[in-house]
Amino acid sequence: GAVVSQHPSRVICKSGTSVKIECRSLDFQATTMFWYRQFPKKSLMLMATSNEGSKATYEQGVEKDKFLINHASLTLSTLTVTSAHPEDSSFYICSAHIWTANTEAFFGQGTRLTVV
Amino acid sequence: AQTVTQSQPEMSVQEAETVTLSCTYDTSESDYYLFWYKQPPSRQMILVIRQEAYKQQNATENRFSVNFQKAAKSFSLKISDSQLGDAAMYFCAYKDDKIIFGKGTRLHILP
Repeated sequence: GAVVSQHPSRVICKSGTSVKIECRSLDFQATTMFWYRQFPKKSLMLMATSNEGSKATYEQGVEKDKFLINHASLTLSTLTVTSAHPEDSSFYICSAHIWTANTEAFFGQGTRLTVV
Repeated sequence: AQTVTQSQPEMSVQEAETVTLSCTYDTSESDYYLFWYKQPPSRQMILVIRQEAYKQQNATENRFSVNFQKAAKSFSLKISDSQLGDAAMYFCAYKDDKIIFGKGTRLHILP
């Protein structure tokens, strides 16, 4: 299957700083990437949909100024958590898609963010 | 809005036995996809099986099969000959223009 690389896998940052998470499709061009947040022992909560070359579409309740998403190319999307607070600590997962029939989502390995 | 419901937070099955995980969903669309994903302790999401809504035939992948009832909006996963490596969180997911996940079922395999 297709490979999606998410980096970093773990990051610790101080409150008030920003942290960037990268999601790369290594062997295919992703027309759309999704960003999810997963709390411990919980499901994946969709945060936003990222289409190459256009503004991200955020789900209700997700602060777009807090979670900046950039999808500059067909192989790279980034999520920047700005002015991080301890409550932003979570597991963030990206997925990349090719919008053709029968395609599933290809997931990155996830990023564990800890804000101290 | 589309929703996905998994009513079994946890399940246990004896090794080599068969277990069925339940999933229901709600949508007004007629064309969509359904998936079961497995998330082991590594937290990497792994596709188990997919079903296209326009196909009446239930999908099968080796020991994994689904019972897709479109009218009832039901999509259960059957795991046959359960193995210790099947222990994980299992998420049912619905997709049209985005993927929505259920809350998951944690599956324990008893040796």
